[in-house]
Amino acid sequence: ETGVTQTPRHLVMGMTNKKSLKCEQHLGHNAMYWYKQSAKKPLELMFVYSLEERVENNSVPSRFSPECPNSSHLFLHLHTLQPEDSALYLCASSQDNWVSGSSYNEQFFGPGTRLTVL
Amino acid sequence: RKEVEQDPGPFNVPEGATVAFNCTYSNSASQSFFWYRQDCRKEPKLLMSVYSSGNEDGRFTAQLNRASQYISLLIRDSKLSDSATYLCAVNLGTGGGNKLTFGTGTQLKVEL
Repeated sequence: ETGVTQTPRHLVMGMTNKKSLKCEQHLGHNAMYWYKQSAKKPLELMFVYSLEERVENNSVPSRFSPECPNSSHLFLHLHTLQPEDSALYLCASSQDNWVSGSSYNEQFFGPGTRLTVL
Repeated sequence: RKEVEQDPGPFNVPEGATVAFNCTYSNSASQSFFWYRQDCRKEPKLLMSVYSSGNEDGRFTAQLNRASQYISLLIRDSKLSDSATYLCAVNLGTGGGNKLTFGTGTQLKVEL
């Protein structure tokens, strides 16, 4: 496997279900991200992990719970979602070289999980 | 004002035409800039980073205008395969982490 992979590619779930999205990066990067992309809206950054520490939680509802067990893997645990959470969920990674607390390197995306909440 | 703004298009151009897109950003402290290409129902793919001095990759040229706070993407001799949505992304450079803010994208349709 190369690049960034995500599973499952498609997911349909009811509002009472619990499911998890998985992301794996094979690029040796040290930072990983979750984004949400809804129709006609820009990509929304949800979570940022750098060196396995969460550095950003962009006011995301608690029904979304991220987990980063190591620098290659990222999970998004889902529970009691709403129909408006239906979207494409994209994972990305980057190799960040921190300068003055910020980093500017390119991010590479996985193919995404298309989620439908019924 | 939106943090990152793009004209959604669509831009319908004939094959071989030159087309340019702009992307404006609101935060003058923004530090890095990127153009991504996204095909229908696929993930964004990095097209180019945008450097202060401007950069060119084949038919594609990206430029940064810090004074007016916009970046541009120029596509020369457009091909049918260039049809896609072009997203600009801006790193605001605040706090920790490489946090990109994306525009809604500009749709390009190249026609015969």
